[in-house]
Parts: sequence; C-alpha cells; structure tokens
Amino acid sequence: DGGITQSPKYLFRKEGQNVTLSCEQNLNHDAMYWYRQDPGQGLRLIYYSQIVNDFQKGDIAEGYSVSREKKESFPLTVTSAQKNPTAFYLCASSDRGREGYGYTFGSGTRLTVV
Amino acid sequence: GDSVTQMEGPVTLSEEAFLTINCTYTATGYPSLFWYVQYPGEGLQLLLKATKADDKGSNKGFEATYRKETTSFHLEKGSVQVSDSAVYFCALSDRFAGKSTFGDGTTLTVKP
Repeated sequence: DGGITQSPKYLFRKEGQNVTLSCEQNLNHDAMYWYRQDPGQGLRLIYYSQIVNDFQKGDIAEGYSVSREKKESFPLTVTSAQKNPTAFYLCASSDRGREGYGYTFGSGTRLTVV
Repeated sequence: GDSVTQMEGPVTLSEEAFLTINCTYTATGYPSLFWYVQYPGEGLQLLLKATKADDKGSNKGFEATYRKETTSFHLEKGSVQVSDSAVYFCALSDRFAGKSTFGDGTTLTVKP
C-alpha cells in the first residue's frame, strides 16, 4: 500500500549535534511538507516543497534545513542552531493536481535533546 | 492571509452524547475544507472533506457541511464513543497557496 514512512520513530540528540529525519513517500505526490508539533499545540510549518529541487520556508524555518533531490524523499535536518528542538515532527504529502485531495501524513518522529 | 479558527478545548463528553466542534475560516479564494483526526502518538489522518459550498463531507458517523455564507465547517457526530477520543484539526487548502492552513486543534475526551 502507498503511504509515507518517517524514520526513526524516536530520536535523541545531544547538544550541538545535527540530526536528520527521514521522510519517504510512494504515493507519487508532487508536494511534501514538514511540520513541528509541541505538546498540546497545533501544527507549525517548517518547510515545504512543491516540486523536485525546489522548496520554500514555512513559518519557523530557522535552525532547520531540507533538500528535495528526489520526488519521493524530503529529509529534514535539525541543526545545532535550533535552540529548542525537542518536539514531534510530522511529514506530509499531497497531490497538488487534484482539487481537495488533502494531506497524507506520516506517523511522526519524536525528537528529544539529551 | 488564510486562517482557521477552531472552538477551544478541551471538550469532555459522556458516551453517546452529541458532538459539535466549531470551525470558521477566512480565505480569499474558494478553498477546500477538511477535518483531520490525531490519536495519541500518531500522525494526522484525513477524516472528511468538502470541496465546494453546500457540500457535506461524512465518514465514520462524523459530518460537516461547507457553509460559504457563514464561512464555517462545523464537525458533528450524533453519538460519540470512547474510541473517538482524539485531537481534531480543521484545515483549508488553497490550491494557489500550495499549502494548507490548520486550526489549533480541539482535544475531545469521551468518558464511558
């Protein structure tokens, strides 16, 4: 079945380290998104990409970086510049060519700074 | 810009009670509207959607009607179950913006 796979499910980062969260989809979707969710909070958009080799900053891009070298992959790097990275990270994709299609979400990666 | 406002939670109901979660939106174009559900420790799942005015989306006993005149998309269910306990997000999608706008989420707890 088609879907989005995020890995790892849990990730621990030491102070000063960069870490990369994986997001892979086999839905043939053009657009992919990264969101951050803090406890009891809504979703905040970090980065999004509507096509391969192109991406845009969301509302909270500082301290994060992304790449979109392949249609099916959109990895997120949390850099040491991100001062408070502990959060739940969600990746999503959508088929922009189909009106009202909505997002398909992965199951998330929970990142903790130790 | 686009925005979505959801009724503040948390909402606590007894099993078999009627559920309404209010959602209003602001958009310049003609967006599609969605409700997503998030169970603890998981990602969001699309619950239902409506793509034009007066459309009714429905799934698993939940319903919502796209009301352009009141810019609303309220979620309703006639009889909730304990298994409906989750966080519910209202969202709109403007195809020209290339991304969706989400509400802050409403936590529903259903007690037996």
